[in-house]
Amino acid sequence: GAGVSQSPSNKVTEKGKDVELRCDPISGHTALYWYRQSLGQGLEFLIYFQGNSAPDKSGLPSDRFSAERTGGSVSTLTIQRTQQEDSAVYLCASSLGEGNTQYFGPGTRLTVL
Amino acid sequence: AQSVTQLGSHVSVSEGALVLLRCNYSSSVPPYLFWYVQYPNQGLQLLLKYTSAATLVKGINGFEAEFKKSETSFHLTKPSAHMSDAAEYFCAVSDHPGTYKYIFGTGTRLKVLA
Repeated sequence: GAGVSQSPSNKVTEKGKDVELRCDPISGHTALYWYRQSLGQGLEFLIYFQGNSAPDKSGLPSDRFSAERTGGSVSTLTIQRTQQEDSAVYLCASSLGEGNTQYFGPGTRLTVL
Repeated sequence: AQSVTQLGSHVSVSEGALVLLRCNYSSSVPPYLFWYVQYPNQGLQLLLKYTSAATLVKGINGFEAEFKKSETSFHLTKPSAHMSDAAEYFCAVSDHPGTYKYIFGTGTRLKVLA
């Protein structure tokens, strides 16, 4: 079946602009995660959605970052007033439920000039 | 708190040689452990996982890993490297069943020499 998909695959933006990154999880997966992968770093947890529960936003680095998940499926990660340090690959993952294996999408490479 | 340490950010092996990628973890409770592989411009793909069953775990593409509690290690091995194994490998830990928070290591980039 189809895996996790993300769009766009690449995004170049100017400092100060807002960007939206999209994630389509695997059908039937109730849990969805966002991670950030910066150059030379491991994966940094950003946010977690599980069903209709309140999301765990504890990994969001600043209030410029927000995410929502509509209808328990598609999720959008929004970064407002982008900064150069936001340049990274943003990865989305989904799982059948909490504690189940996470399956990752191909990522969105964000470059802030 | 959990943590993962991957020794060696870059590892080079000759084609046909043994692959050994090191991962040590820290966890206050029995962990779940994972190895993921990331090929260029792709997302992470699960290689294998340890979830408190057999300590020797076999994964895809001929990889395996052994959970050693006394050494707090979960090293990844493959007897004979192929050129197609060139990628970045990430070790991850989660504290216990039912938790969603994976803590990832910083990754090891494997280069396979012809």
